[in-house]
Amino acid sequence: QVQLQESGPGLVKPSETLSLTCTVSGGSISNFYWSWIRQSPGKGLEWIGFVSYSGSSTYNPSLNGRVTMSLDPSKNDLSLRLTSVSAADSAVYYCARAGWKHPPDNCFDAWGQGIQVTVSS
Amino acid sequence: DIQMTQSPSYLSASIGDRVTITCRASQSISTYVNWYQQKPGKAPKALIYAATGLQSGVPSRFSGSASGTLFTLSISSLQPEDFATYYCQQSFSVPWTFGQGTKVDIK
Repeated sequence: QVQLQESGPGLVKPSETLSLTCTVSGGSISNFYWSWIRQSPGKGLEWIGFVSYSGSSTYNPSLNGRVTMSLDPSKNDLSLRLTSVSAADSAVYYCARAGWKHPPDNCFDAWGQGIQVTVSS
Repeated sequence: DIQMTQSPSYLSASIGDRVTITCRASQSISTYVNWYQQKPGKAPKALIYAATGLQSGVPSRFSGSASGTLFTLSISSLQPEDFATYYCQQSFSVPWTFGQGTKVDIK
């Protein structure tokens, strides 16, 4: 079955850019929607955004335009960039597959194991 | 944003008990609700999609129902592996939002 694996730095300095990659194995990223979700003790589970197989994306407005998600079919992976980070962005970040159906008929049916990212100088 | 309010936040139950967790949406969201199970240190796992659909590979003791803006996850006979935290999530409108979670513990 499909497997997802997040990678990237575990420590990011305040005001810098957080960059993560999610490598997908056991299936193609094509024809699916993909999301990033984060989890912190204070905020619970927070949806960051989704990107479709066509490349279009929709983000959580609470992130105030700081987020960019993209797919790379040649590498079968997806990426997340979050700019101008602060301590409030410290969390476990998950990539997840959001199914093949068009929104709003989506469910996160496969998840990566998650990666802890801490924002600190 | 659509608020998803789960109750209870915590429940203590015994093996074999029937367990019910509810999630109320702050507005009408049709049946675009999913349920997840999360164990400590692990990623969430999908259990129920579109309010009542059983995700592939999930035991049939799990079920979901919907009535207006109230959604319910039921476990018919609690098993040792079911002790975990459960979350509801709506995909009706952006931003997709989650409930705050219900922790199911051993009595």
